[in-house]
Amino acid sequence: RKEVEQDPGPFNVPEGATVAFNCTYSNSASQSFFWYRQDCRKEPKLLMSVYSSGNEDGRFTAQLNRASQYISLLIRDSKLSDSATYLCVALSGSARQLTFGSGTQLTVLP
Amino acid sequence: NAGVTQTPKFRVLKTGQSMTLLCAQDMNHEYMYWYRQDPGMGLRLIHYSVGEGTTAKGEVPDGYNVSRLKKQNFLLGLESAAPSQTSVYFCASTTRTGGVSYNEQFFGPGTRLTVL
Repeated sequence: RKEVEQDPGPFNVPEGATVAFNCTYSNSASQSFFWYRQDCRKEPKLLMSVYSSGNEDGRFTAQLNRASQYISLLIRDSKLSDSATYLCVALSGSARQLTFGSGTQLTVLP
Repeated sequence: NAGVTQTPKFRVLKTGQSMTLLCAQDMNHEYMYWYRQDPGMGLRLIHYSVGEGTTAKGEVPDGYNVSRLKKQNFLLGLESAAPSQTSVYFCASTTRTGGVSYNEQFFGPGTRLTVL
């Protein structure tokens, strides 16, 4: 079983749609969680951190449920520029190692 | 600031050849990491370093060696390349101390390696 699991998609949605991504993790010792965004053939970049209390940044909302070991990302009012792969990430260890999910591909259609 | 840079951007090797990938960062970060990314598998940690002169194994270290002789540089070596090492390699760094970027890892643009 992968330590961080995501639905690979692809998700194809029209502009303006709301889309939700889910992720589960198996290492209960994971300390922090993140969503990274990766554009085609580019490096990953931090989108946002994920907290149990929820974290909202504009059109993006991330949520963590430690009891269920479940992480979510909600994107409202999708834009064409949101098309990318979204990576669910868990942090653990004294050197703050990251464990990545395989990513969920999103395409926003005009 | 250039951030994290990687050299080379592309490389084609024959089986058995050796090469070194160079990662450099100008953010004075203590922690540095090497990942590989294969289709459908996300990024996997190869080796990491928490400071100059120290290295440790990650999830998939076999076939690779690393060195961190200077704080700003982290080298990844392939002693005898195999087709299974065909991948995209990303280097990343982060700070040891607190601050805005405490938990964020900053990635280089990647090296696309093909082993024939």
